[in-house]
Amino acid sequence: GQQLNQSPQSMFIQEGEDVSMNCTSSSIFNTWLWYKQDPGEGPVLLIALYKAGELTSNGRLTAQFGITRKDSFLNISASIPSDVGIYFCAGQPIQPTSGTYKYIFGTGTRLKVLA
Amino acid sequence: KAGVTQTPRYLIKTRGQQVTLSCSPISGHRSVSWYQQTPGQGLQFLFEYFSETQRNKGNFPGRFSGRQFSNSRSEMNVSTLELGDSALYLCASRPRVGSVPYEQYFGPGTRLTVT
Repeated sequence: GQQLNQSPQSMFIQEGEDVSMNCTSSSIFNTWLWYKQDPGEGPVLLIALYKAGELTSNGRLTAQFGITRKDSFLNISASIPSDVGIYFCAGQPIQPTSGTYKYIFGTGTRLKVLA
Repeated sequence: KAGVTQTPRYLIKTRGQQVTLSCSPISGHRSVSWYQQTPGQGLQFLFEYFSETQRNKGNFPGRFSGRQFSNSRSEMNVSTLELGDSALYLCASRPRVGSVPYEQYFGPGTRLTVT
């Protein structure tokens, strides 16, 4: 299946550090979603983006919809141990077929925070 | 408002058997999508239902099927199970196809193990 390129694949950081991850695609998207998934659970929606250039925050999390519509970025400031998990981006292509909509998911960034 | 619920949470089946998974979307959400998540392939889209009709389909064999009821609840069926069908099956709901916002919310998933 089609997937977005998400990087980095994994990262270890010290508590208190800032984290950045991104997703890129060769296709144009009209929506970007960012999720966090804990082991054995479903992904939890963190941030939704709808416009190119849009910058949205949710607590210590900030995400941006790239101007080219082909990428998105997620930043976590002052990381804490509970930020551990897998972060996924999901994009919705700008040309849905037959009025339907299908999200394409990134491969995930596994974040580990060292106390 | 209650979130997306999935039953059962865990399931063990034998190769060749069939299985039915259930999903109840968030109240008021009419679109339900199903995903398969495996360590190797990540999150793969199975299909989406809206108003009891399949609106979109991923690249999975015909052994994977689904349906949606008038109350928006959905079931997914996998027939003739194979070892490779072992995965976390996730259900996600959103208000309706084509609406804004496009946020999609996931359930906790059903962990299927095929032996």
